[in-house]
Amino acid sequence: AAGVIQSPRHLIKEKRETATLKCYPIPRHDTVYWYQQGPGQDPQFLISFYEKMQSDKGSIPDRFSAQQFSDYHSELNMSSLELGDSALYFCASSLAANEQFFGPGTRLTVL
Amino acid sequence: GENVEQHPSTLSVQEGDSAVIKCTYSDSASNYFPWYKQELGKGPQLIIDIRSNVGEKKDQRIAVTLNKTAKHFSLHITETQPEDSAVYFCAAWFYNNAGNMLTFGGGTRLMVKP
Repeated sequence: AAGVIQSPRHLIKEKRETATLKCYPIPRHDTVYWYQQGPGQDPQFLISFYEKMQSDKGSIPDRFSAQQFSDYHSELNMSSLELGDSALYFCASSLAANEQFFGPGTRLTVL
Repeated sequence: GENVEQHPSTLSVQEGDSAVIKCTYSDSASNYFPWYKQELGKGPQLIIDIRSNVGEKKDQRIAVTLNKTAKHFSLHITETQPEDSAVYFCAAWFYNNAGNMLTFGGGTRLMVKP
């Protein structure tokens, strides 16, 4: 079965640079969620989109923004990167706010 | 906000033994409780979930129980195998002014010794 696709899988950036992470949900899923997971931590909810509209907002910094496009893929844009932004970023998708299925994640390292 | 507490943080069992992980939540309005298994370098994998209108759910060697009155739920793994070794997260669906979100427990590192 098709799963959530995330790209890139690994990303290395310098402080104050920008980064864009991409997420392709499971076909026919209408909701996308973004999570941040620090080392040894649980996933922290950032933001979600339902039918291309922002649905819910968690602990997403003002330096980050996200959107969902007409083909349902989503992008997380991160600006003015800080060392503390180094983490695993997961995208999950669901159909009608049911079970969330996670992608493999993007490991972001900020130097 | 919603708070999900998970215990223990680490659990070591012998192959074939059972493992139990417990979680408590704070928001009585929460009605959906999934469990995820995360292996090193991978995304969380949904292994079982339970909704508030059900007290217990079982899927082969995995079962989850929910006590809404006490606001706690547990994951039971029987006949553990080395491939069950991973970090397990419980979560609760939480409603607040900003909307809805899944809040995770702190995770349990399960080690199954052959």
